[in-house]
Amino acid sequence: NAGVTQTPKFRVLKTGQSMTLLCAQDMNHEYMYWYRQDPGMGLRLIHYSVGEGTTAKGEVPDGYNVSRLKKQNFLLGLESAAPSQTSVYFCASDLTGGYNEQFFGPGTRLTVL
Amino acid sequence: GNSVTQMEGPVTLSEEAFLTINCTYTATGYPSLFWYVQYPGEGLQLLLKATKADDKGSNKGFEATYRKETTSFHLEKGSVQVSDSAVYFCALSALDTGRRALTFGSGTRLQVQP
Repeated sequence: NAGVTQTPKFRVLKTGQSMTLLCAQDMNHEYMYWYRQDPGMGLRLIHYSVGEGTTAKGEVPDGYNVSRLKKQNFLLGLESAAPSQTSVYFCASDLTGGYNEQFFGPGTRLTVL
Repeated sequence: GNSVTQMEGPVTLSEEAFLTINCTYTATGYPSLFWYVQYPGEGLQLLLKATKADDKGSNKGFEATYRKETTSFHLEKGSVQVSDSAVYFCALSALDTGRRALTFGSGTRLQVQP
């Protein structure tokens, strides 16, 4: 049981470049989430999904897009990266939609120059 | 909206010292409360939780009691170890703009010296 995995672990982009972060979970969870973690600000929700084929905006969705084509995968895309998107990105999943424990991946550290 | 306030860090303690990390919250309805821990280079993992008033969550020697009257969920441990060095996040789960959402505090870094 790998839990929640994320690729890549680190990435450096130039302003305007695009990339996709991949999250995969093997726990058959319906709910999946993308957060960003910035110093002194805790975790903020970017987008989330309540099941395969669904996505919804979180607290800070601007500049990001997501897709959930398969239940086990949740992709986060940056179409035109900006320095303000330099952050650590965490994917999480859970069974009950926020009532109980969320399971987190190890994170992706992204730097936009 | 919902919010969580934690004491700022870093908190630096000697091994075997007593730990308290304060956490207070604002939420509508009846939130569930959590403490997550993040070890260096890793994602967050659940440390303990409480789902109703006066519940005490406990795990690995850590404890926190859900105090509705003071809207608090302070984390305590009687004797910390070097291996407890990590960032601790207080969080709540409650309805926010029509859906169940997890709201995190800003995190408190704990450094335990031998």
